[in-house]
Amino acid sequence: DAKTTQPNSMESNEEEPVHLPCNHSTISGTDYIHWYRQLPSQGPEYVIHGLTSNVNNRMASLAIAEDRKSSTLILHRATLRDAAVYYCILRQYYGGATNKLIFGTGTLLAVQP
Amino acid sequence: EAGVTQFPSHSVIEKGQTVTLRCDPISGHDNLYWYRRVMGKEIKFLLHFVKESKQDESGMPNNRFLAERTGGTYSTLKVQPAELEDSGVYFCASSQDGLAGVGQETQYFGPGTRLLVL
Repeated sequence: DAKTTQPNSMESNEEEPVHLPCNHSTISGTDYIHWYRQLPSQGPEYVIHGLTSNVNNRMASLAIAEDRKSSTLILHRATLRDAAVYYCILRQYYGGATNKLIFGTGTLLAVQP
Repeated sequence: EAGVTQFPSHSVIEKGQTVTLRCDPISGHDNLYWYRRVMGKEIKFLLHFVKESKQDESGMPNNRFLAERTGGTYSTLKVQPAELEDSGVYFCASSQDGLAGVGQETQYFGPGTRLLVL
């Protein structure tokens, strides 16, 4: 499985945008980029995913580099509730690919009031 | 719609005892997964059910762990006998089978069961 690299931790102020980077230099053409987050004392929660184009949903935006070797999860206005560990995960889409999620260490995001 | 539920939320047992964790997936979800995070480590996959069949059990650590999903609804994960290193948080997740393929599948996680083996 292709590997992802994320900073161990980041800090943000409330109401400001947050850009969480992820490097995946060995990504293959069949890999989707997924982001999950884990709030304190909860299970992981799906945030967003994409393949090549930038994606937006109600939670966040995902910006994917043109060569797909990196991506950035963007929280447009961080709230205290966004304090969590954010995981960038690659998933292959072809039939027979494993369904399991492979979690790395993720980025611990702290949001200051 | 109810999310994934897990029972119990916490369990404290002594080494050598047996513990059974239960997971109720979202109604209609054929895929059910077990993951766990042991102290200081990353979240690791344990196994995957499609309905009542084990699709992938490559993450099961040893034969002290037994997972079942009779009838393709809820699942249980039994640890017998429990060892100190089994302490951690056990997560269950479920997903629908979709035509979009694995790459676009979204897994919905439960809150986890916190297991402490003394």
